[in-house]
Amino acid sequence: QVTLKESGPVLVKPTETLTLTCTVSGFSLSNARMGVSWIRQPPGKALEWLAHIFSNDEKSYSTSLKSRLTISKDTSKSQVVLTMTNMDPVDTATYYCARTGPEVTFIDYWGQGTLVTVSS
Amino acid sequence: QSVLTQPPSASGTPGQRVTISCSGSSSNIGSNYVYWYQQLPGTAPKLLIYRNNQRPSGVPDRFSGSKSGTSASLAISGLRSEDEADYYCAAWDDSLSGGVFGGGTKLTVL
Repeated sequence: QVTLKESGPVLVKPTETLTLTCTVSGFSLSNARMGVSWIRQPPGKALEWLAHIFSNDEKSYSTSLKSRLTISKDTSKSQVVLTMTNMDPVDTATYYCARTGPEVTFIDYWGQGTLVTVSS
Repeated sequence: QSVLTQPPSASGTPGQRVTISCSGSSSNIGSNYVYWYQQLPGTAPKLLIYRNNQRPSGVPDRFSGSKSGTSASLAISGLRSEDEADYYCAAWDDSLSGGVFGGGTKLTVL
């Protein structure tokens, strides 16, 4: 069955760079018309779409965060990596990776999410 | 401030029909598919409606979606206590070249 699992630090300091890894199983990152999105949710707040990568390596980013985000994938390892630079306490959130269909917001499987706290 | 606008809360009694609206613009809802997600407390969101009005297998037909112009709606009929959750709409935005979510609607079953 399809699963996605996020991994990374639970605590980062302000100004540091966050690196999150999404390890997928049950499908291949080379499957046509599929991709992986990263979405975050601050405690008690709404979902926010961050970035997406398609099987053909086409990438898209949130306009407001584009300068701080990089998404990449390693198909052989079944992993998608998101880096976010210059972390701030307002970036404290649960970060989800999720599988998408041919449309970026067609999210059919979600990871369990990982809570990242930004604090000194 | 979310690009897609949803009412922060909605409520109904068991058996009732409730609707949740999602308002956008020509660059998102007006020209792209709308998706709806249900997030139960403490869990990851779940796909409820895709491509405006399609239900994934396993989603009860009590849930339905519609779209008209730059707005979309999620309707839940025969309301049940287990429907108490947060509901989010989402769409691609051509102007932003990215995905956008609504601010979410907390549904309370009275």
